Amino acid sequence: KAGVTQTPRYLIKTRGQQVTLSCSPISGHRSVSWYQQTPGQGLQFLFEYFSETQRNKGNFPGRFSGRQFSNSRSEMNVSTLELGDSALYLCASSPPDWPEQYFGPGTRLTVT
Amino acid sequence: AQSVTQPDIHITVSEGASLELRCNYSYGATPYLFWYVQSPGQGLQLLLKYFSGDTLVQGIKGFEAEFKRSQSSFNLRKPSVHWSDAAEYFCAVGDSGYALNFGKGTSLLVTP
Repeated sequence: KAGVTQTPRYLIKTRGQQVTLSCSPISGHRSVSWYQQTPGQGLQFLFEYFSETQRNKGNFPGRFSGRQFSNSRSEMNVSTLELGDSALYLCASSPPDWPEQYFGPGTRLTVT
Repeated sequence: AQSVTQPDIHITVSEGASLELRCNYSYGATPYLFWYVQSPGQGLQLLLKYFSGDTLVQGIKGFEAEFKRSQSSFNLRKPSVHWSDAAEYFCAVGDSGYALNFGKGTSLLVTP
């Protein structure tokens, strides 16, 4: 079974722009979660989607948003990018009714 | 407040020696507990998990972890470390398993 895929793998944006990251979960997985990883703050939970509904949300500003489609694929959007948004963004999917997460390789976002 | 602590930022062990990585948590009830490993430039790989039942759990790559309720700990162990085990190790905790709270990580260096 193919793992979690994330596109693009690397991205360079300018401060003030917006960005959309994509995540395709493992086939059959309906829960998708997003995390931000930085050297200073470590791994922080952004949000989790299940059946196109946001089920859990971390403590991030409203500039960070996400959505999930009917095929369980998910996107996250960051508007008005700041230098501090430079990070590795990780997506994880979970099998039905089993709370363990499988991570993708991440998208490395650099904001200049 | 809920928290996860990995007291050791860096650990160096000789190849073939035993390993123990520490993880302590502060949660209201017994949470879901996980250990992940991350190699440079990669996503996170699930090593093992604890939900309930037997407090000694076996994972992949020869790792095991023991849940100790009285100490709020979930330490990771391996009897004999291989050079390929050098990586960053993260303990993660959640009350649902879908919105994980991660420790800051322990960087493992393996010497010949």
